[in-house]
Amino acid sequence: DQQVKQNSPSLSVQEGRISILNCDYTNSMFDYFLWYKKYPAEGPTFLISISSIKDKNEDGRFTVFLNKSAKHLSLHIVPSQPGDSAVYFCAASAILKAAGNKLTFGGGTRVLVKP
Amino acid sequence: DAGVIQSPRHEVTEMGQEVTLRCKPISGHNSLFWYRQTMMRGLELLIYFNNNVPIDDSGMPEDRFSAKMPNASFSTLKIQPSEPRDSAVYFCASSRGQGMAEAFFGQGTRLTVV
Repeated sequence: DQQVKQNSPSLSVQEGRISILNCDYTNSMFDYFLWYKKYPAEGPTFLISISSIKDKNEDGRFTVFLNKSAKHLSLHIVPSQPGDSAVYFCAASAILKAAGNKLTFGGGTRVLVKP
Repeated sequence: DAGVIQSPRHEVTEMGQEVTLRCKPISGHNSLFWYRQTMMRGLELLIYFNNNVPIDDSGMPEDRFSAKMPNASFSTLKIQPSEPRDSAVYFCASSRGQGMAEAFFGQGTRLTVV
């Protein structure tokens, strides 16, 4: 049973335009959400996070939106750059409501930014 | 800081052999995670430790898999005996512990069992 789902396996966008990546979760215990970026032959690297007490968090070109009622979050990258081409993973954790901080990952979305 | 260090980067072994993957977490981090990435299942958590103690090993697929963390700076994931379906990339990650979910990943070990 996948608790975190990324329904779009891939996304292609023109350089300079907005990339929107979506993620859905089913476990209502999740209270902390993260996005990771992964290049080939490397480990995932942390990008941005959001706590369940917020609905938006912004860091430079990256913004994460959280809709708790819909159990949905999204990552916006604007403007997209060729260096953003990578696989993006959504992850969730239940820090406050449960002991431990393990991350449950979605299946990933491969983003290709065309020059 | 050198980040999370995993060894080896690549491992090719024959079915039935024992395989040991190694991980050195970031100094000061007290949570350590082992993940496996496959095409079919994506990134799945195998086991995680807090202060060197296994907290959740529900993701360990079979008794053939075992993990240890003898001290705060070292962990191993062992597969004995290995099977072709164990072929995957295995990642180790560490974080500062409860309340801090941001985990830092190593570069992974690509395991091929033939």
